[in-house]
Amino acid sequence: EPEVTQTPSHQVTQMGQEVILRCVPISNHLYFYWYRQILGQKVEFLVSFYNNEISEKSEIFDDQFSVERPDGSNFTLKIRSTKLEDSAMYFCASGADSTDTQYFGPGTRLTVL
Amino acid sequence: QKEVEQDPGPLSVPEGAIVSLNCTYSNSAFQYFMWYRQYSRKGPELLMYTYSSGNKEDGRFTAQVDKSSKYISLFIRDSQPSDSATYLCAGPPQGAQKLVFGQGTRLTINP
Repeated sequence: EPEVTQTPSHQVTQMGQEVILRCVPISNHLYFYWYRQILGQKVEFLVSFYNNEISEKSEIFDDQFSVERPDGSNFTLKIRSTKLEDSAMYFCASGADSTDTQYFGPGTRLTVL
Repeated sequence: QKEVEQDPGPLSVPEGAIVSLNCTYSNSAFQYFMWYRQYSRKGPELLMYTYSSGNKEDGRFTAQVDKSSKYISLFIRDSQPSDSATYLCAGPPQGAQKLVFGQGTRLTINP
């Protein structure tokens, strides 16, 4: 069964460093998403991406964040200058259309020291 | 007011019990709802997807939506220790692609 994959599973970085989290969505899906979950808190929406552009973003998704689909299979989330409060699980999700179920990857645990 | 609310639990029941998990939502414009299961430090895994009011059944799981009272339920029959996880309800507000999640209910099924 097709699934969303994410790398790395765990990323440790120093405050102020840039990180890139990678995702491979399900191959025939067109809508891509990033969510995050701070330990013990809700899953929160960050951004949705369709047709090579951001279609929706939350107030969390500020200028420090960017997304890219650099080729036909990968979808990346870049955090330009990490802060301690960026420590969280980051989940990528994909869907076949805008009203389709969103299928989540296993997540990348980001720890900012 | 939070858009989707769940009792975070924890909820602990014996194996074989019927489990009832509930969510309320505040925005009438939610189009449809999902239940996800999340094991510790893993990604949410889709369990059920339901569009309208009424029941939807899949094996031991039944999802129920009551749009008049803005109430969503998930019932688990013949619960198993492997059902121990956090259960998340979620939905997209109308016109939005994002999913809004409840805080999740942590469930433990005791053998």
